[in-house]
Amino acid sequence: SYVLTQPPSVSVAPGQTARITCGGNNIGSVSVHWYQQKPGQAPVLVVFGNTDRPSGIPKRFSGSNSGNTATLSISRVEAGDEADFYCQVWDTTSDHGLFGGGTKLTVL
Amino acid sequence: QVHLVQSGAEVRKPGASVKVSCKASGYRFNSYGITWVRQAPGQGLEWMGWISAHNGKTKSGQKVQDRVTMTTDTSTNTAYMELRSLRSDDSAVYFCARGNPLQPAMSPFDFWGQGTMVIVSS
Repeated sequence: SYVLTQPPSVSVAPGQTARITCGGNNIGSVSVHWYQQKPGQAPVLVVFGNTDRPSGIPKRFSGSNSGNTATLSISRVEAGDEADFYCQVWDTTSDHGLFGGGTKLTVL
Repeated sequence: QVHLVQSGAEVRKPGASVKVSCKASGYRFNSYGITWVRQAPGQGLEWMGWISAHNGKTKSGQKVQDRVTMTTDTSTNTAYMELRSLRSDDSAVYFCARGNPLQPAMSPFDFWGQGTMVIVSS
């Protein structure tokens, strides 16, 4: 079955750019969505269709997807960006939804 | 504005069943689907299944497909997820989220309920 691989943690200083990766076999050929989840809260969609942002999501959040890696980038990181981030795709082989294992973003 | 409001926390014994509700407002319910996702304590997100509020079609994840029933009531704009034969590893927060009405692969989960904690313990 298809597997999405995320680093368990990413740390970045305030004002810098955080990059969170999501690896999968030929993931560049599918649509990747990203969710932010703060402690005790429901996930929030921050990027969909590889590169699009829902209404209300700051332009600091952006996505890319090519080859075997999709990337969520957060520019000018703020303390309030600390959260767990999950990538998600639709696994066409199993015809199921699939999440990556999640990445904890720490703002130093 | 779109809102999904879920039912309250539940405690069940192993072997019992639980039914979680998800009441939608702020959009045309039968023009979308509902996805169910769960999160065990300290763990990541697990996709459980999807139901179309348009035609009732469902898809279920392998871990729960033999034990889960998803339904919708378009008269009350409410989706339900029932999980049977509960085990201790079913203890988790269960979320509903809005999705595509016909092709779940085509859309993200754009609005989420607040989550329902289910504890399975003897």
